[in-house]
Amino acid sequence: DGGITQSPKYLFRKEGQNVTLSCEQNLNHDAMYWYRQDPGQGLRLIYYSQIVNDFQKGDIAEGYSVSREKKESFPLTVTSAQKNPTAFYLCASRTAGDDGRQPQHFGDGTRLSIL
Amino acid sequence: DAKTTQPTSMDCAEGRAANLPCNHSTISGNEYVYWYRQIHSQGPQYIIHGLKNNETNEMASLIITEDRKSSTLILPHATLRDTAVYYCIVRVLGGSEKLVFGKGTKLTVNP
Repeated sequence: DGGITQSPKYLFRKEGQNVTLSCEQNLNHDAMYWYRQDPGQGLRLIYYSQIVNDFQKGDIAEGYSVSREKKESFPLTVTSAQKNPTAFYLCASRTAGDDGRQPQHFGDGTRLSIL
Repeated sequence: DAKTTQPTSMDCAEGRAANLPCNHSTISGNEYVYWYRQIHSQGPQYIIHGLKNNETNEMASLIITEDRKSSTLILPHATLRDTAVYYCIVRVLGGSEKLVFGKGTKLTVNP
């Protein structure tokens, strides 16, 4: 089945530790996104990539890093510099249409907690 | 900085139509309206989107007013599995093409 796979579903981070969240899609989508969701809040954009080997910061990029070495993969690293990493992390992707109206489709998320 | 307003919560009886309203009075002429829903602890699920014409797919119908300042998502025969938070989004054009989610409407479908 085509879709977006995020792993792991649950992740725990120790103080001072970097952790990497995986996002893989087999939809042949060009653009990929990382969002963060806090309880009772909307989604906030962390990073996005519209093409392989290129990515841009979103609204809350501090303490995070990404890479886009392959079209189907967009891993997110939560570094020790991110002081409040406990959240629900969502990866999304979409086809880059001419008018940009193609919807984003989401994975099922990774819930990150601090030990 | 969401550009839409929605009721906080709504209830609907199972088997009846659920009509979820959304106001987007500052929408620009070329901005699309998107609807997503999110069931607890899952990623948002895309439902439907439209520009100015009414749209229908296998999940729902989208009715957009002629002045485009509001829209209504219609689930024709709600089931218990439709209980979720529904988000109406006006997509930011250009740049990141990010989605700005507001707080949405918590729809509860009752047996």
